[in-house]
Amino acid sequence: DAKTTQPPSMDCAEGRAANLPCNHSTISGNEYVYWYRQIHSQGPQYIIHGLKNNETNEMASLIITEDRKSSTLILPHATLRDTAVYYCIAKPSGGSYIPTFGRGTSLIVHP
Amino acid sequence: ETGVTQTPRHLVMGMTNKKSLKCEQHLGHNAMYWYKQSAKKPLELMFVYSLEERVENNSVPSRFSPECPNSSHLFLHLHTLQPEDSALYLCASSLSDGNYGYTFGSGTRLTVV
Repeated sequence: DAKTTQPPSMDCAEGRAANLPCNHSTISGNEYVYWYRQIHSQGPQYIIHGLKNNETNEMASLIITEDRKSSTLILPHATLRDTAVYYCIAKPSGGSYIPTFGRGTSLIVHP
Repeated sequence: ETGVTQTPRHLVMGMTNKKSLKCEQHLGHNAMYWYKQSAKKPLELMFVYSLEERVENNSVPSRFSPECPNSSHLFLHLHTLQPEDSALYLCASSLSDGNYGYTFGSGTRLTVV
């Protein structure tokens, strides 16, 4: 199972793009990259996932490098409500694999 | 609301009490999970139920006893807990292959006194 590495903390100005990196250099071909976030004292919330291609939804964009060894979650216009811990997880397609949530990146959006 | 409902939201219990945490989902998911999150620590997986059978039990002390009567409901029965068991207990659900992600409840904040 691929281990992911994220910076422990980042900060971003409100209204600017927040770019959260994740390294997953040992990711295998059938492992998807998932992103979740956890706002203080709430349950984690699914954001987005992808395999090879870049993905975009109403919450964020996911950019995966061509070699799939790293990815970046982009919040295009960060708001104060985006302050949270962001988790990057590598998960194989199918099967009963249960992902492990590490310490993630604590993103603070400031005014 | 995420579609996964946990009750109660807050619980204070003595070390000799017996209480239960409840989790309910009507998302059509067939796997349910209990996680524990202590202050400033990562999420710890406790139990996994897939198709109503327990498939994972991560060396959790016997004072925590899960129950999954059907695919929509999950309980965590608590008895003779210790103060160090105070934490946020989170329930999640997914399809059994987890391919479309996990939906978490808002958690139960448990304090053992």
